[in-house]
Amino acid sequence: DVKVTQSSRYLVKRTGEKVFLECVQDMDHENMFWYRQDPGLGLRLIYFSYDVKMKEKGDIPEGYSVSREKKERFSLILESASTNQTSMYLCASSWTLSNYGYTFGSGTRLTVV
Amino acid sequence: AQSVAQPEDQVNVAEGNPLTVKCTYSVSGNPYLFWYVQYPNRGLQFLLKYITGDNLVKGSYGFEAEFNKSQTSFHLKKPSALVSDSALYFCAVRDDNSGYSTLTFGKGTMLLVSP
Repeated sequence: DVKVTQSSRYLVKRTGEKVFLECVQDMDHENMFWYRQDPGLGLRLIYFSYDVKMKEKGDIPEGYSVSREKKERFSLILESASTNQTSMYLCASSWTLSNYGYTFGSGTRLTVV
Repeated sequence: AQSVAQPEDQVNVAEGNPLTVKCTYSVSGNPYLFWYVQYPNRGLQFLLKYITGDNLVKGSYGFEAEFNKSQTSFHLKKPSALVSDSALYFCAVRDDNSGYSTLTFGKGTMLLVSP
């Protein structure tokens, strides 16, 4: 089975901290994605990457950055965490061919206090 | 631009009854359509997809979906609901005209199946 692993299930961080969310996939997928999920808003795309060291902004990139130094790992960085970044963060990966869907990780529930 | 709408925040159905979760989409080219399910505090799991071919697509756990091009819809259905089907369901679309493989998701529909 394809696995997408997010390093933490639950995180509590303080306002102003720099936060790293890590995601690793084991299927050699080219594409990786970070979404945040909020009640009533569904999934919103933060950033995605279609190759190592490549990144593209999604719909809500403000306050976030990403890093993809290796194909299997895609990190989401909150430069200075704020309370409005409290959310569920979902990582996903996929092949480049568009007729394949995504494989999701289990999610990281981040609370910023 | 691609978009998807799930008009119902919540769907309630009794166990054993048929269920339908609605989804409509908008794309400029041809759509690739997906349904995902999310159980509490978990990631999303793939249920089924429509790429081309038969309009009726069968997927996991007895779910199916019907692609209707004229109505730009892709409703999720199941003939007989189970209490264990209670979860959050997401429809997603990708426009085959778009440059990247990004999916756009709906806001989700909570399905509650009562015993």
